[in-house]
Amino acid sequence: DAMVIQNPRYQVTQFGKPVTLSCSQTLNHNVMYWYQQKSSQAPKLLFHYYDKDFNNEADTPDNFQSRRPNTSFCFLDIRSPGLGDAAMYLCATSRAGGPSYEQYFGPGTRLTVT
Amino acid sequence: AQTVTQSQPEMSVQEAETVTLSCTYDTSESDYYLFWYKQPPSRQMILVIRQEAYKQQNATENRFSVNFQKAAKSFSLKISDSQLGDAAMYFCAYRGKNTGNQFYFGTGTSLTVIP
Repeated sequence: DAMVIQNPRYQVTQFGKPVTLSCSQTLNHNVMYWYQQKSSQAPKLLFHYYDKDFNNEADTPDNFQSRRPNTSFCFLDIRSPGLGDAAMYLCATSRAGGPSYEQYFGPGTRLTVT
Repeated sequence: AQTVTQSQPEMSVQEAETVTLSCTYDTSESDYYLFWYKQPPSRQMILVIRQEAYKQQNATENRFSVNFQKAAKSFSLKISDSQLGDAAMYFCAYRGKNTGNQFYFGTGTSLTVIP
């Protein structure tokens, strides 16, 4: 089945220690997104790629970076995690230009910062 | 920027009964898509139903249906014959057809199903 895969599902890192979360997709979608979601809140968009074009949200801290080496993979790098960065990180994909416009989500990576 | 409002942070429904979740949105676009997503506790976000703004007919998916009122910018979700597995956070989301690839989410409604 075509899907969005996130690894790892759970990640524990130390305060200030860089961490990388990964996302891959078999849907061949041209848009990939990274969201941060804290408990019982809506997902907050950090950035998204349309093909290789990177689109950063204005309020995304510089501490968060992303890479998309090819269509299938996208990475979220947190350079110096703080306690406030503990959250669920969701990767999602969609197709720009249709015919279907919905987002497909991965299962998420829960990040704990100690 | 587009905004999506869900005015009901929490809702509850008796098993087998019907419940309606509200969503309103603000946009100046004429063509767009609206979605309801379901996120069960500690589980993956999945699409429940979608509506294309140019279609007047309300979308339905089995027990799930929407009431789309374009002029009022309202997009409510009706869940019929509620089941225990319907318990989840429900997010309303908006995507413009021609103005980029961003999705705008409401703050969510937590639905409890009472046995």
